[in-house]
Formats: sequence, C-alpha cells, structure tokens
Amino acid sequence: QVQLQESGPGLVKPSQTLSLTCTVSGGSIGSDSPFWSWIRQHPGKGLEWIGYIYYSGITYYNPSLKSRLTISVDTSRNQFSLNLSSVTAADTAVYYCARGDNSGYYFGYWGEGTLVTVSS
Amino acid sequence: QSALTQPASVSGSPGQSITISCTGTSSDIGGYKYVSWYQQKPGKAPRVMIYEVSNRPSGVSNRFSGSKSGNTASLTISGLQAEDEADYYCSSYTSFSTFYVFGSGTTVTVL
Repeated sequence: QVQLQESGPGLVKPSQTLSLTCTVSGGSIGSDSPFWSWIRQHPGKGLEWIGYIYYSGITYYNPSLKSRLTISVDTSRNQFSLNLSSVTAADTAVYYCARGDNSGYYFGYWGEGTLVTVSS
Repeated sequence: QSALTQPASVSGSPGQSITISCTGTSSDIGGYKYVSWYQQKPGKAPRVMIYEVSNRPSGVSNRFSGSKSGNTASLTISGLQAEDEADYYCSSYTSFSTFYVFGSGTTVTVL
C-alpha cells in the first residue's frame, strides 16, 4: 500500500520560504508511478492544486503560484519537495502531497496533510 | 480560472439517493473525460471516490456513481448512510494553464 508523508516546519515567517518534503513508502517514484503533486487547502476552504512533478523532473505549476514555486524530486530517496518563496498569511494552509494516477488525471493516494502557518 | 461550481450543501435521509452537481465549461468538464470526485471527512485527507467521470477505484462502495452531461458532472450517492456525511469535491483537467481545477465543495448531511 502506497503511503505518503509530508514533513517540514509548521510555522514560517512572512517573506521567508516555505519548504516541505513528501516521503513515499510502499511504492517508488519512477516510470510506473511518474506523477506526484502538491495540493493545499486554506482553513475552512476548498482544495487548490499547486503543481505536479514528473519523475524525470519535468514540472507543471499553477500559474498563480509559478513565480514563487519550485517543486523538485529525489528518486534515490523516494521523495519530492515543495519550496514556496516570499510567503504571506495567504499561504497559510494545510499542504497535501499526492500521487497522480492514470497519467496524472486524478489523485489516488494522499498524504495526511500538514498545516503550515505563516506568521511573525 | 474559477473553481468548478458545486452546491454548498446537499442533504438526505438514510436510504435515500442524492446527487451533487459540478458545473464547468467546455475547457474542462465538457471537453474531457478526466473528471474525478473526492470525499473529505473532518481533519482527514481527501479520498478519491470516482475517476474518469464514472470509474470507481477498488474499495469504493458501488453506492457511489458518476456521470457527465455537457459541461456538468454529477456524483450520485444511493442508499445514503450516516458514514457518507462529508465534504465532496469534484475536479477536472482543464485546457487552461492551470492544468487542474477543483470544485468549490459540497457538504453532504445525512438527516
């Protein structure tokens, strides 16, 4: 059974960079499971797709975040990461990592999510 | 691009059937078969219930079914049970640069 686990600071100061890592177990980041994604949910709100990374390192970003966003992958560690720069209170959210299935067109496995609060 | 439009809430009695609608455009729901539905219970991660309009992943009850007509997708829950109380989100691939868009979410209440 594939499992995903997010890790990283729960509190980030405004203007700093939010960094999270997703560790995958029970499966491998590779050609059989190539699409991996970050999704966030603002408190009490709906879901927002952040971006995708293909196992080769190709990325697809939500245009609204693209200028501040970097998603990277480390297949040797079975991890992928999110860096979001110049954060504000509007970036406070629960951040989920997920596996994209069927060529990435739906999210079949999700991490439990981690709350990141942006505050001084 | 705006989120897909869902009713804020839907309710039903145990045993009844309910349907949640999800309205988009020809650039997302109407143009592709890549519509999926997610169930989210409080404090938990979303769980996929339907993918590619009408397919159920292994382990999902056959009480859940999906369909699409034009720019609107629908999720039907038949034989409603207390455990079905949750928020439900639709999503779709979109030809806009956002690539992937979610619905606004619907809270299902079992009376």
